[in-house]
Amino acid sequence: DTEVTQTPKHLVMGMTNKKSLKCEQHMGHRAMYWYKQKAKKPPELMFVYSYEKLSINESVPSRFSPECPNSSLLNLHLHALQPEDSALYLCASSPRAGTGDGYTFGSGTRLTVV
Amino acid sequence: GESVGLHLPTLSVQEGDNSIINCAYSNSASDYFIWYKQESGKGPQFIIDIRSNMDKRQGQRVTVLLNKTVKHLSLQIAATQPGDSAVYFCAENYGGSQGNLIFGKGTKLSVKP
Repeated sequence: DTEVTQTPKHLVMGMTNKKSLKCEQHMGHRAMYWYKQKAKKPPELMFVYSYEKLSINESVPSRFSPECPNSSLLNLHLHALQPEDSALYLCASSPRAGTGDGYTFGSGTRLTVV
Repeated sequence: GESVGLHLPTLSVQEGDNSIINCAYSNSASDYFIWYKQESGKGPQFIIDIRSNMDKRQGQRVTVLLNKTVKHLSLQIAATQPGDSAVYFCAENYGGSQGNLIFGKGTKLSVKP
């Protein structure tokens, strides 16, 4: 299995809702990432997990809460989001953090906050 | 601001022609560079990479050139096909113990049949 699977593919949520984005990989990668991508913009790094521990938080608001239950799974918990948080949320994994190579991206979750 | 940028935001080419997409980077310590292709509704897809100890690398129909003197990266696509239409991003690895991939602004390539 050489894929990163993200669910759901599309999500519409209200500003008072709580939802979660899920990401899964079975490549034995020990680094996992969340990126946010606005329309016509490059992906922007949000979080980095290395060996299931949060190693980088790029000053992301607390309404985004990442979780790495095990080496294959990565979640992003969403609460009290704003319309400007609407974006494509991409998950990626790589064999390990620090080298930049071997990244595999999922197809993303298209999030709309209403 | 971002250290990786692209000179041309859009590029339109005729099918069969060669395409050249350019990228400038500002961090001389970056040691690894990647080109990604992103089609609508999909995540970035790896095309080709190059390490800082090289100046050229070839793949199937694609070539990446790295000029460290002027901090410039380019992607050449030979015999461009309609399936090559997408947004292309360059990314650099800042290095260090964490290693973040920083993406450039992207170039939209449109191939006319």
